[in-house]
Amino acid sequence: GDSVTQMEGPVTLSEEAFLTINCTYTATGYPSLFWYVQYPGEGLQLLLKATKADDKGSNKGFEATYRKETTSFHLEKGSVQVSDSAVYFCALSDPGNQFYFGTGTSLTVIP
Amino acid sequence: NAGVMQNPRHLVRRRGQEARLRCSPMKGHSHVYWYRQLPEEGLKFMVYLQKENIIDESGMPKERFSAEFPKEGPSILRIQQVVRGDSAAYFCASSSARGGPYEQYFGPGTRLTVT
Repeated sequence: GDSVTQMEGPVTLSEEAFLTINCTYTATGYPSLFWYVQYPGEGLQLLLKATKADDKGSNKGFEATYRKETTSFHLEKGSVQVSDSAVYFCALSDPGNQFYFGTGTSLTVIP
Repeated sequence: NAGVMQNPRHLVRRRGQEARLRCSPMKGHSHVYWYRQLPEEGLKFMVYLQKENIIDESGMPKERFSAEFPKEGPSILRIQQVVRGDSAAYFCASSSARGGPYEQYFGPGTRLTVT
């Protein structure tokens, strides 16, 4: 079945450091891929998405590229801020199917 | 343009009581999903509903849990005879269609505490 595997957390970075959160997926079809962010005490918010191979999703300085050959959708940001501290979820959606979420990666950015 | 609404935000129940969680999807959305998030864990799919229909309940516990999405009014997730293990955050999401590029929009969640 379809699934998403995310890198284990927690991740702690200093402000302005480079961020990578790895995400790989398994899917039988051609899924759409998403990154969601959850701030403390809140629901999930869509951060970015990509709907086909080689698409790059980007938002708020974050970006991720849909790599079909490596079945990956790694999240990156060049310079993190304290306000980026949150839990990040990778997810996939096959046409007609439910969403599959990764277990989440907690990021803490320290000044 | 109101987003997904959930209430209550916090709910405390004693063991054996019933919990009723409400979700109003975004305007124009007819697809509703419920997820559970246990402490230190990811999101687990519970059930997917359209108006008056349960489409996929493969993630719902077999006993004590039920969900509905009536023709009028919010979607309801009902937990009967709650136990301590039901303590979690329950999130509702809605979408304009299912699957593919249609992202889900999440509510703020209901945090259930069973004492």
